[in-house]
Amino acid sequence: IAGITQAPTSQILAAGRRMTLRCTQDMRHNAMYWYRQDLGLGLRLIHYSNTAGTTGKGEVPDGYSVSRANTDDFPLTLASAVPSQTSVYFCASSEQGSPNNEQFFGPGTRLTVL
Amino acid sequence: GIQVEQSPPDLILQEGANSTLRCNFSDSVNNLQWFHQNPWGQLINLFYIPSGTKQNGRLSATTVATERYSLLYISSSQTTDSGVYFCAVVNTGNQFYFGTGTSLTVIP
Repeated sequence: IAGITQAPTSQILAAGRRMTLRCTQDMRHNAMYWYRQDLGLGLRLIHYSNTAGTTGKGEVPDGYSVSRANTDDFPLTLASAVPSQTSVYFCASSEQGSPNNEQFFGPGTRLTVL
Repeated sequence: GIQVEQSPPDLILQEGANSTLRCNFSDSVNNLQWFHQNPWGQLINLFYIPSGTKQNGRLSATTVATERYSLLYISSSQTTDSGVYFCAVVNTGNQFYFGTGTSLTVIP
C-alpha cells in the first residue's frame, strides 16, 4: 500500500518555466489538497478538490492551477514559476463526508525557483 | 478563514519531562487534527479529535470545541518526539487551516 506519492522529490527550476507537481493516492479518498510550507508560516492551502471533477481555491491560489480528472490524481501546475514559489509542497487526501475525515499527507516536493 | 494559534512556538525539554501544547481557533470547526512533522519533513497523523479526549501511548489530546481549543499532552518525552507539532482545523467547506506549529526539542 503506497498511500500518497508525490513526484518529483525535489526540483530546481528557472523562473518563467512551467512545472507540474504530481500527486497520486491509492486510498480511493474523494478529497485531495495541495499545501505549501514556508518557514515560519506553517502549511497554507493552495487548492483543494472535494471530489473528482471539482476543484476549489484555498488560502494562496494565485499562480497555481489544479485539475482532478479522476479520483486518484491531483496535479498542481505552476504556469510561469517565480522565485516566491520556492517552497515545500505537500499533497494530502481525506475521505470527506465520512465520520472520520482524517487527512493523510504525501512526502512532499521541495521546489526551488531561481 | 479560521485563525489557528499554537503555543508555545518553541519548547526545549529534558528527556523524561512532560509537556502540554495548546491550539486555539477562532471559529466553529468540523474537525481538528494534530500532526507531528519529524526532522526529515514527514507529516504524521497523531490524532483526529473534533471533541473529547483520546490517548495513544505517551500522547493524549483533548478538544473542547465549545471553547475553541485543543491540548496535546506528551508524557515521558523522548528524543524521537523532537520535531514540529501542528494543529489543523476544518471548516464546514472542508478547508483545512494549520497553525504555525510548536517546535519541540527533547535533549538527552
